[in-house]
Amino acid sequence: DTGVSQDPRHKITKRGQNVTFRCDPISEHNRLYWYRQTLGQGPEFLTYFQNEAQLEKSRLLSDRFSAERPKGSFSTLEIQRTEQGDSAMYLCASSLGEGGNYNSPLHFGNGTRLTVT
Amino acid sequence: GNSVTQMEGPVTLSEEAFLTINCTYTATGYPSLFWYVQYPGEGLQLLLKATKADDKGSNKGFEATYRKETTSFHLEKGSVQVSDSAVYFCALTGNTGGFKTIFGAGTRLFVKA
Repeated sequence: DTGVSQDPRHKITKRGQNVTFRCDPISEHNRLYWYRQTLGQGPEFLTYFQNEAQLEKSRLLSDRFSAERPKGSFSTLEIQRTEQGDSAMYLCASSLGEGGNYNSPLHFGNGTRLTVT
Repeated sequence: GNSVTQMEGPVTLSEEAFLTINCTYTATGYPSLFWYVQYPGEGLQLLLKATKADDKGSNKGFEATYRKETTSFHLEKGSVQVSDSAVYFCALTGNTGGFKTIFGAGTRLFVKA
């Protein structure tokens, strides 16, 4: 178990630029989640995958955000035309869930901190 | 939709004091309940969980009991240590409407020697 890894750890970008983050989950985990966390708040759900299928996306999520998990392994989160309000910590988590199992805890990476100037 | 409300912090205690962090939830069906902890400079990690009514989750001296009648999952520890200083998040995963986990805003705990 090598844990969930995220890359990069930090990203500074100018408003209007596109950014892409990568997440490598624990290898045997079939579910992968993206969250966003701002200072003093809990993680806010963005989207999740079961294997390669994106099963849910937050209704609060702008169309500028897109995520993929092409082979059911690593995932990418892209933000197009970044805005200052996108500045946050972006967290990836994975879990092992089978069928209707919703008891599995999440294993988190250390996050990617995005700063939009 | 599902939601979690936890007491605001920060909570400041002296070593060996008793800790309670309140957490209540709103959910349809029968969610699973979790407490996660974030130590300074580290990522979020599971502290304990309970998956059905009246279950008690426990770990590292922390306990929480799943109370369906009061929709609560309060975190307790009988004697805190300086090393318990962290941010604690209450969370739930619902059994309806998908498998996403919803988090509370977090409660920061400071323990003084």
